[in-house]
Amino acid sequence: ELKVEQNPLFLSMQEGKNYTIYCNYSTTSDRLYWYRQDPGKSLESLFVLLSNGAVKQEGRLMASLDTKARLSTLHITAAVHDLSATYFCAVDTPRYKLSFGAGTTVTVRA
Amino acid sequence: EAQVTQNPRYLITVTGKKLTVTCSQNMNHEYMSWYRQDPGLGLRQIYYSMNVEVTDKGDVPEGYKVSRKEKRNFPLILESPSPNQTSLYFCASTPAGRWKEAQYFGPGTRLLVL
Repeated sequence: ELKVEQNPLFLSMQEGKNYTIYCNYSTTSDRLYWYRQDPGKSLESLFVLLSNGAVKQEGRLMASLDTKARLSTLHITAAVHDLSATYFCAVDTPRYKLSFGAGTTVTVRA
Repeated sequence: EAQVTQNPRYLITVTGKKLTVTCSQNMNHEYMSWYRQDPGLGLRQIYYSMNVEVTDKGDVPEGYKVSRKEKRNFPLILESPSPNQTSLYFCASTPAGRWKEAQYFGPGTRLLVL
């Protein structure tokens, strides 16, 4: 059974500083997705990572994938308040099933 | 506008009273899926469908049924709801060749079973 672990589960960030969220998974996969969820809202796709070494960037967020280490990171640069949300990673499996991590709840404080 | 819709958005019911949550997408996607979200557990897949009349179990199918008679619709049926099915439910869809795109999620249905 595929296990997906995110760390940390809660992250209190100070505005202007840099932080990283980690996503480890237990079996081979070369497809990983990052989603954002605002309180009371649905999930919004952030990044799709499709191969080893893939790196995607959008604004203050950058995601990368190391399939050999079974690790993806979501790096936040110079945190701002509107990045407060819950971030999920999800790993694709051959059975067309997404397995999600538990989520990282991010709060950005002044 | 491309979207996935779910109805109802909020539902309070009692144990044993059959209910259906509808899901519809207007993007002609082949693949559709149902997830439940519970605190600390992320999202867990209930059922998925590769196309019309093709469905399969996800991680937590017990107590749920689905059908896919039309490409755009993928209803979730709880024949005899129980309190442990109180959760936030999301429907999602994606086109064939899905691995190149993220899934599109509906707005969610919050269910409380008393």
